[in-house]
Amino acid sequence: AQKVTQAQTEISVVEKEDVTLDCVYETRDTTYYLFWYKQPPSGELVFLIRRNSFDEQNEISGRYSWNFQKSTSSFNFTITASQVVDSAVYFCALSEADFNKFYFGSGTKLNVKP
Amino acid sequence: NAGVTQTPKFRILKIGQSMTLQCAQDMNHNYMYWYRQDPGMGLKLIYYSVGAGITDKGEVPNGYNVSRSTTEDFPLRLELAAPSQTSVYFCASSYWDTDAWSNSPLHFGNGTRLTVT
Repeated sequence: AQKVTQAQTEISVVEKEDVTLDCVYETRDTTYYLFWYKQPPSGELVFLIRRNSFDEQNEISGRYSWNFQKSTSSFNFTITASQVVDSAVYFCALSEADFNKFYFGSGTKLNVKP
Repeated sequence: NAGVTQTPKFRILKIGQSMTLQCAQDMNHNYMYWYRQDPGMGLKLIYYSVGAGITDKGEVPNGYNVSRSTTEDFPLRLELAAPSQTSVYFCASSYWDTDAWSNSPLHFGNGTRLTVT
């Protein structure tokens, strides 16, 4: 079974629109970590955020915000006023209690058009 | 501070050839990982290591071997390359703090693009 599901394969928006990338995870552990990574067209993987399972506070960093809801096992990522430079593939990931492995979703490709 | 360094950046192999992908980190991370990313796909774990001398299989280990003789280095060996191994390979590292019971994010290298023809 998929531990991390990113149902949106590809999203296209026009610049300045807000966009939300969905992430649903599955775990039986009470202690776990959730992550978002960005992979721009150049190919490198860039860390965006880490959230542990005991901290359900939403986080905002500039135009980026994250909504963590344990009740729905979701960790969604919103970009406000999107820009062309936000075009990338975004991956959600889960690290469970054994902390040896990181499970990645299949990624959501975001296209921001000018 | 170089972080995670992978070499080479690109490589073309013929079917049946062998090669080693190099990975080194200078952050004193205890955990290291190898992932592959096929075109348009997500990341699949090949092998990982929780410390020097300890390695374990991930989701897709067949056709690969690893070793971890030092904390810093985690080379990935491809024996008898096959077209199915055409992919981008990412090495990553993380730090597990046993005192804080906390795992750092994965730090990735820039990847090795491998083509087997």
